[in-house]
Amino acid sequence: KQEVTQIPAALSVPEGENLVLNCSFTDSAIYNLQWFRQDPGKGLTSLLLIQSSQREQTSGRLNASLDKSSGRSTLYIAASQPGDSATYLCAVPTGANSKLTFGKGITLSVRP
Amino acid sequence: NAGVMQNPRHLVRRRGQEARLRCSPMKGHSHVYWYRQLPEEGLKFMVYLQKENIIDESGMPKERFSAEFPKEGPSILRIQQVVRGDSAAYFCASSPTSDTIYFGEGSWLTVV
Repeated sequence: KQEVTQIPAALSVPEGENLVLNCSFTDSAIYNLQWFRQDPGKGLTSLLLIQSSQREQTSGRLNASLDKSSGRSTLYIAASQPGDSATYLCAVPTGANSKLTFGKGITLSVRP
Repeated sequence: NAGVMQNPRHLVRRRGQEARLRCSPMKGHSHVYWYRQLPEEGLKFMVYLQKENIIDESGMPKERFSAEFPKEGPSILRIQQVVRGDSAAYFCASSPTSDTIYFGEGSWLTVV
């Protein structure tokens, strides 16, 4: 059974800091991994999708890496801003129907 | 192209009543997923549907919960005889394929 873990559950950093959010998964037989952002009371916004054949994906100040063999992914946020404050979730597809297994998320607070 | 539309956004039901949550997928999307986010538990897959077919309902509670995606109209998640433990955010997602997935803003159910 696939399990996705995100530690720590919460993180507070000063504005401008570069930071890394971690995600680990138990079953390395995945074909992609996604990072999502969730603002309070809102839905999920897909940030980055990494295919299993890729090692990383970049979008603006965000960079996500994937190491299937070790069951890990990281989301790197450069020059953090208060607007980056949100919960960040990683998810992997499980089974044949692309249903996603999510981590519990990391709630990030960027202090001005 | 409007996003995934969910309604109602907030719903209050008394114990024993029925809750109906609606989801209109993005135009051209034939895959619909329902997820539930319980406090402190993260997002959990419930059911995957295509038009007029339930493909995977492995995450649905065995009793009181049902889902449909008719040929015409939105997908409906129905919860009969609600209990306090059903209080959660229910998210619908749609996809044109098995990769990119788009989430709605969620429906927050409160059972009093």
